[in-house]
This record gives sequence, structure tokens and C-alpha cells, in this order.
Amino acid sequence: DAGVIQSPRHEVTEMGQEVTLRCKPISGHDYLFWYRQTMMRGLELLIYFNNNVPIDDSGMPEDRFSAKMPNASFSTLKIQPSEPRDSAVYFCASSQGLGGELFFGEGSRLTVL
Amino acid sequence: GDSVTQMEGPVTLSEEAFLTINCTYTATGYPSLFWYVQYPGEGLQLLLKATKADDKGSNKGFEATYRKETTSFHLEKGSVQVSDSAVYFCALLEDKIIFGKGTRLHILP
Repeated sequence: DAGVIQSPRHEVTEMGQEVTLRCKPISGHDYLFWYRQTMMRGLELLIYFNNNVPIDDSGMPEDRFSAKMPNASFSTLKIQPSEPRDSAVYFCASSQGLGGELFFGEGSRLTVL
Repeated sequence: GDSVTQMEGPVTLSEEAFLTINCTYTATGYPSLFWYVQYPGEGLQLLLKATKADDKGSNKGFEATYRKETTSFHLEKGSVQVSDSAVYFCALLEDKIIFGKGTRLHILP
């Protein structure tokens, strides 16, 4: 079975550009999470969805960040405009039930110059 | 609010040494507790979990016991291997999952 699939794996962009990260969760999972990982701040929960509905977006840093889940098999995290401090690895994870095991994708490494 | 505190890394040990990575938590209720592991270039994977006080989670030679009285969930392994080199995350779940900052482990051959 395919795991959580993220794209792109690596993205290098210039400050001010729009960045879109994509995630396909495991089929049948009803929760989807977006995390950001940096050396300084560790692993931060940005937002999570249940059955495609955003439940908690309190971790989204500011209005430049937005996330959508138009259907059960696809989610996007968008940063517009991007800034150098957004450079990080962004992980998507999915689970069956809130207490279920989290399955992580391999991450999208974003570098904003 | 809820929080997880892990020992600072990196932790460097020789192969076959005994490992302890400390984890304490703050929660309003009775959370479930987890250890996740992240190998280089990969996402996190569940290592073990415990859902109630005095439960012991175990997997791949690693163990952790849910201690409600000390609000702790320390990770232990009796004899580490080079392949255990990774970053280890303690986490709790109440209304959402919260991770600690991670502890990097280096095992020397």
C-alpha cells in the first residue's frame, strides 16, 4: 500500500514567490495533519483536518499561510508571499481516528532565498 | 496548556550501551503517550505507545512505561545498535497530538 505522498520533495524559491505543497493521505484515513520542522522550533503542528474539514488552525503562523482539503485524497499548504524564515521541512501526516497511529510523508524541504 | 519536555541532545553512546531518553509531560487530563522515531531523510514513524497509567509500550527492544505519578514516559533500551541512530520524539494526545522537540541519538560502532 502507498504511504502518505508529498510533493515536491525539494523546493527552492525566492522571497515573495508563492509556494504550494501537496499531500495525498493514506486511503481511508479521516485525519490529516500539516507539520513544520526546523532546528530551532522542532516539530510544530500547523493545522489539521477531520473528514476534509479544518479543525484547528491555531498553529498557522500568519495569514500568509493557508491550507485546503478539497477532498479526502488531497490537501495543499500554500505560502504567499514566501519569506526566508519559512525555510523548513514541511510534513504531512494522516491517521485513522485522532488517536490512531500517525503516518508521515517523507516531507517537503523548502528553501526561500 | 499541554506540553512535552525531552532531554536535550545529541546523545552519543557506544554500541551495546544502555539508553535512557527522558520525557516528561504536562496535561489537563489523562493523555495517551507515544514515542516516534525519525531516521535521516524520512518522516516520523511510531515506535511505541501507552494509553493509560502503568501501561508499558515496547517495540524493537525499546520500552517506555506511563508513569502518572511522575508525569513521565522515559524511553529505554538495554543494548543499542548503530542502526538506532535517529531522532526520537516523545508525544502526547489529548485533543490534539503535541510533540517534544526531539532528541538526536548517535551510536558509535
